[in-house]
Amino acid sequence: DAKTTQPPSMDCAEGRAANLPCNHSTISGNEYVYWYRQIHSQGPQYIIHGLKNNETNEMASLIITEDRKSSTLILPHATLRDTAVYYCIVRGGNKLTFGTGTQLKVEL
Amino acid sequence: DTEVTQTPKHLVMGMTNKKSLKCEQHMGHRAMYWYKQKAKKPPELMFVYSYEKLSINESVPSRFSPECPNSSLLNLHLHALQPEDSALYLCASSPNDWVDGNTIYFGEGSWLTVV
Repeated sequence: DAKTTQPPSMDCAEGRAANLPCNHSTISGNEYVYWYRQIHSQGPQYIIHGLKNNETNEMASLIITEDRKSSTLILPHATLRDTAVYYCIVRGGNKLTFGTGTQLKVEL
Repeated sequence: DTEVTQTPKHLVMGMTNKKSLKCEQHMGHRAMYWYKQKAKKPPELMFVYSYEKLSINESVPSRFSPECPNSSLLNLHLHALQPEDSALYLCASSPNDWVDGNTIYFGEGSWLTVV
């Protein structure tokens, strides 16, 4: 599985957009980029995934660079409930391998 | 419905006990997973079942014994555990294990404490 690199922590003001970056420079052509988050003491929650094109759903947007070596998860209007660890994962085949993630703290 | 149900939510067991963790999904998924998560660490894959057959064992010690009795159920049998095995055990499922683009859904986990 391709490795991912994320900043260990980020802060965001409530109501503002949270932009979480992820580097995956060794990604292969058929590997998807997945984003999950984990709120303290809960199971990981699926957010979004993509292969080449940008994706949007009710939770977030995923922007993947044209060379696919990096991506950005965008939470358009962060709330206090978005405080969590966010994991960027490159999926190769039948397993998800979690990296260390980014601790996002949303503050008033 | 994207629910993966894990029981019990909390389990305390002695090092000589035998206990089991249970996981259930009714989404028709044919791949199921066990992950282990220590405090302040990311989840680590333990086992993958595909069509009720074990397809991946990430060199997990034999004191952890998985079982998939049918396509909706996944068990993790525990025996002779050590205190360092105390962790959050996460179950997950997906429609199929080898098709990229599938979403893997996680349960809320079972907190295990070995005393």
